[in-house]
Amino acid sequence: DTAVSQTPKYLVTQMGNDKSIKCEQNLGHDTMYWYKQDSKKFLKIMFSYNNKELIINETVPNRFSPKSPDKAHLNLHINSLELGDSAVYFCASSQGGLAGRYTQYFGPGTRLTVL
Amino acid sequence: KQEVTQIPAALSVPEGENLVLNCSFTDSAIYNLQWFRQDPGKGLTSLLLIQSSQREQTSGRLNASLDKSSGRSTLYIAASQPGDSATYLCAVRPGTSYGKLTFGQGTILTVHP
Repeated sequence: DTAVSQTPKYLVTQMGNDKSIKCEQNLGHDTMYWYKQDSKKFLKIMFSYNNKELIINETVPNRFSPKSPDKAHLNLHINSLELGDSAVYFCASSQGGLAGRYTQYFGPGTRLTVL
Repeated sequence: KQEVTQIPAALSVPEGENLVLNCSFTDSAIYNLQWFRQDPGKGLTSLLLIQSSQREQTSGRLNASLDKSSGRSTLYIAASQPGDSATYLCAVRPGTSYGKLTFGQGTILTVHP
């Protein structure tokens, strides 16, 4: 039943490690997003894919690399993790891609803690 | 660069009160505005979406208004309940879309019995 799901829910790791977060949506949407919510609760967009094509790529360190194997999945791989990467990462999806008219649906978030 | 500000940062009210949350944005060239609710440790739930051509949207006890020219939106919650306690986030989408939402920092609402 879950519309947008993320795994894992919690991720604790050491500095310098490489980790991935996975996202899947079963809503049939054509656009997916990654957001980062920092300790001050600000949500900022990182990436967006429309039909597997990257359409938004904010000023994010190139240690972050999104991958969309198909329209229903958008994964986030992070290399050489740093303390400042600690945050909650949210995946979202919507329909209508470039038109942007419709609501975005969010996943439950992945809380990443870098030690 | 679009900036979104929400006032107040936190609000505590007794059950049953009507309340208003405020959102302001610096660039009035928006495509739409969305209000979300975030519960602790959870994701965001969309409450209301107002297109730039609309003035307001209603859903149950919630009413959101949009004044694009002045860069303001309000979320009105009628007859508040303890279950309304959450963080409320306002987000705007620019006129040149691509779904790039800009979020405010949120208002933490506590409704006590």
